[in-house]
Amino acid sequence: QSALTQPASVSGSPGQSITISCTGTSSDVGGYNYVSWYQQHPGKAPKLMIYDVSSRPSGVSNRFSGSKSGNTASLTISGLQAEDEADYYCSSYTSSDTPVFGGGTKLTVL
Amino acid sequence: EVQLVESGGGLVQPGGSLRLSCAASGLRFSSYWMTWVRQAPGKGLEWVANMNQDGSERYYVDSVKGRFSISRDNAKNSLYLQMNSLRADDTAVYYCAKGGPRTTTKETFDYWGQGTLVTVSS
Repeated sequence: QSALTQPASVSGSPGQSITISCTGTSSDVGGYNYVSWYQQHPGKAPKLMIYDVSSRPSGVSNRFSGSKSGNTASLTISGLQAEDEADYYCSSYTSSDTPVFGGGTKLTVL
Repeated sequence: EVQLVESGGGLVQPGGSLRLSCAASGLRFSSYWMTWVRQAPGKGLEWVANMNQDGSERYYVDSVKGRFSISRDNAKNSLYLQMNSLRADDTAVYYCAKGGPRTTTKETFDYWGQGTLVTVSS
């Protein structure tokens, strides 16, 4: 049950695109199409942004997109906005039949 | 509107016990997997435990096995987490979360409560 690996921080200017990576193994990210991404603003509960690698829940902006290649999943945010500044966490189903989260990435909008 | 409201957090001494509750509304509670996720101060999210619709399947992170117990009462639309032998490293905000969007989903959480803080300290 080792945490997935995410960069500690990423940054971008308004209007730009950024990508956050989430690296696991063949026992989690690489083995299943059950990767999710969550956005968390300070003091708030997490919010589901992407599930099943690339699906968006109703109400989530299409500026958010997800993908996966091998053992690494990615979250891309296009047209960066100030309100996107938050912590982002990936998660994946694992071969242990349990989920695991990434360590989290702090997104700063410059 | 789906709402999840946690309660039961507080200050407890090491070795003590606490029972968290999560009251659900706006959903067919009995149809979904339910989960507890925690977040230590300034740290990331950690999955703690989950449970299927009828309680026949329960899973725990290794660090809480034998100390924590997840349960649910579908008649009361409520989820619980009994925490025993608490340690300082159990200090965290504990979130209740609903599996979704499908009823078979156990690894994705589409609705979260606001969290309840558990502090383990002497």
